[in-house]
Amino acid sequence: SQQGEEDPQALSIQEGENATMNCSYKTSINNLQWYRQNSGRGLVHLILIRSNEREKHSGRLRVTLDTSKKSSSLLITASRAADTASYFCATDAGRDDKIIFGKGTRLHILP
Amino acid sequence: DTAVSQTPKYLVTQMGNDKSIKCEQNLGHDTMYWYKQDSKKFLKIMFSYNNKELIINETVPNRFSPKSPDKAHLNLHINSLELGDSAVYFCASSRRSDTQYFGPGTRLTVL
Repeated sequence: SQQGEEDPQALSIQEGENATMNCSYKTSINNLQWYRQNSGRGLVHLILIRSNEREKHSGRLRVTLDTSKKSSSLLITASRAADTASYFCATDAGRDDKIIFGKGTRLHILP
Repeated sequence: DTAVSQTPKYLVTQMGNDKSIKCEQNLGHDTMYWYKQDSKKFLKIMFSYNNKELIINETVPNRFSPKSPDKAHLNLHINSLELGDSAVYFCASSRRSDTQYFGPGTRLTVL
């Protein structure tokens, strides 16, 4: 079952604005990943941040990690209609080699 | 009241055997998915299936086949297991292209 929490559950913003999504988790982790899911065709891996990293960038994406607060944020700058999707965080706690998913944030970009 | 369940959670078997992993969802969703977690712990889509369409990732060997006895179940059958099949497999479900809900994963070890 999914663990951890993403916040907000749903987010609607105007095209061109920045979108921020947060993820909180419960246990110590080795790394944290962000995925995008659109078109009902499966997850697309966006970015991985390790527990010893605080910030990572990839194109218009910026991910931060605060291990003391057990939280991460995903920032999408200059949003586009194609960014409309659900976004998941997934944590790797090093147990059973499984990653654990949050419940996702549904992002809707308004034209 | 588990939403998406998988059995077994752990599966250890010999090379060459045939095995199945079961997935059940009680959310009334019409689309189900199978993912393989690779060695880097990234999830890769294997299949997505609803009662109208089966979409297969072309990189998936034909030894893997999804079997759906009804809308609430999508089982993963694997023939002639190979060492490289060892991985964690995740099942997920969604209503059409809405947010996916994930099962807890099945760790398969092929000896």
